[in-house]
Amino acid sequence: GEDVEQSLFLSVREGDSSVINCTYTDSSSTYLYWYKQEPGAGLQLLTYIFSNMDMKQDQRLTVLLNKKDKHLSLRIADTQTGDSAIYFCAERPSKIIFGSGTRLSIRP
Amino acid sequence: DTGVSQDPRHKITKRGQNVTFRCDPISEHNRLYWYRQTLGQGPEFLTYFQNEAQLEKSRLLSDRFSAERPKGSFSTLEIQRTEQGDSAMYLCASSPGERSTGELFFGEGSRLTVL
Repeated sequence: GEDVEQSLFLSVREGDSSVINCTYTDSSSTYLYWYKQEPGAGLQLLTYIFSNMDMKQDQRLTVLLNKKDKHLSLRIADTQTGDSAIYFCAERPSKIIFGSGTRLSIRP
Repeated sequence: DTGVSQDPRHKITKRGQNVTFRCDPISEHNRLYWYRQTLGQGPEFLTYFQNEAQLEKSRLLSDRFSAERPKGSFSTLEIQRTEQGDSAMYLCASSPGERSTGELFFGEGSRLTVL
C-alpha cells in the first residue's frame, strides 16, 4: 500500500541543525519530496530527490534517501526563525501521497 | 500566469446542501489534482486528471463527491448532500505532467464549513 509517516513535532534552537525524518512504503516511488507549509499559506515544494540518488544538497538543505529502509530525511543547517513551518514528506508512485507533516518550531 | 486559483476561498453551508468548487490550473499544466486537508493532517489525495481524463479516484471518496475537467483546463469538485465531516480545506494543484519531476503547484484552497 501507499503510506508516508513522519513525526508530528520538532523543536530546535536557533542556529542548530534540524533533522526531519520520514518513512514511506511504496518502493516504486520515482521521486520523493519535501514540501513546506507556512501558517495561512499554501504548500510549496522545498526540494525533491530522484529515487536513484542517495543524497541531494541545496544550500542549507540536505536530503538523504535510504531506499533499502524506505527512509527519507531533511536536514536544515543553521535553522532560522523563518524556517518555522510544517514540513511534509511526499512520495510519488503515480499520484503524490503526503505524510501528516512535522511542525518545526524554533527556540531562541 | 498568476498560478493556480481556486474559487470560492471560503464556503459555509448547511448540512444536506450541495457545494461546488472551481480550480483554474496553470495554463500549460496538463495534470490537475484535488486534495483535502483537515487540521493537523497532511493533504489527502482525492482524485487527479491528465488533461480531461480522470485517471484515479481515491477509494475513500464516497459517491457524493464528483469531479470534472471537461475541456482539460479548469476543474470542478462537487459535494452532494454535505455532511459535517466534509468540513475541510479542499486543495487543488497542477503539474506539467508525467515526464516532469512531478512538482505540484498548489492553489490557496477552498475552505468548506458544514454546519
